Amino acid sequence: NAGVTQTPKFQVLKTGQSMTLQCAQDMNHNSMYWYRQDPGMGLRLIYYSASEGTTDKGEVPNGYNVSRLNKREFSLRLESAAPSQTSVYFCASSEIRDRGRVAKNIQYFGAGTRLSVL
Amino acid sequence: QKEVEQDPGPLSVPEGAIVSLNCTYSNSAFQYFMWYRQYSRKGPELLMYTYSSGNKEDGRFTAQVDKSSKYISLFIRDSQPSDSATYLCAMSAGIQGAQKLVFGQGTRLTINP
Repeated sequence: NAGVTQTPKFQVLKTGQSMTLQCAQDMNHNSMYWYRQDPGMGLRLIYYSASEGTTDKGEVPNGYNVSRLNKREFSLRLESAAPSQTSVYFCASSEIRDRGRVAKNIQYFGAGTRLSVL
Repeated sequence: QKEVEQDPGPLSVPEGAIVSLNCTYSNSAFQYFMWYRQYSRKGPELLMYTYSSGNKEDGRFTAQVDKSSKYISLFIRDSQPSDSATYLCAMSAGIQGAQKLVFGQGTRLTINP
């Protein structure tokens, strides 16, 4: 099993260009997530998809769009890239398991995409 | 104030030392507590998780949760150079907050041979 696969691994864009980051998981998980990681800021949630056909905003959604293409794939699109979007982007997936009213949300991460916007 | 606070370090210790990594949090609804390890230029990988309060041991690693103090710890015994990485704590709340995993900013740890 590959787990969570992200493409591309590296990308350099010019301000105003668009691109799509791809993510696929082979663990049959229902939920998928996109994070960005910046120095001193930790991991911040951009968007998530609780299940196929649904998407919701996270902490920092501005400037991004997502598509849950099917159960396996969840893409992140930058329509008009800005230098502030220079970051490392991580995709994750999880299977929420109920324990009474409490849900365990153990997320498995991809290797990341390093994006520079000039 | 951030929901989860973690000292970013860096922390540098000699091989064989006991390492203590800590996080504090403000949201009393958090029930699941996790530690992720992230090697340089890699994605985070789950190291340990605990539910509610108490201790959990896995080999050289022990996770401790004190909900009364809103404080969690990860102890590494007999530390090895291969333990050099950034350690992130993460927490999630009940079913209403199931989708939200809140991360600390990570502590960068170096084990010196």
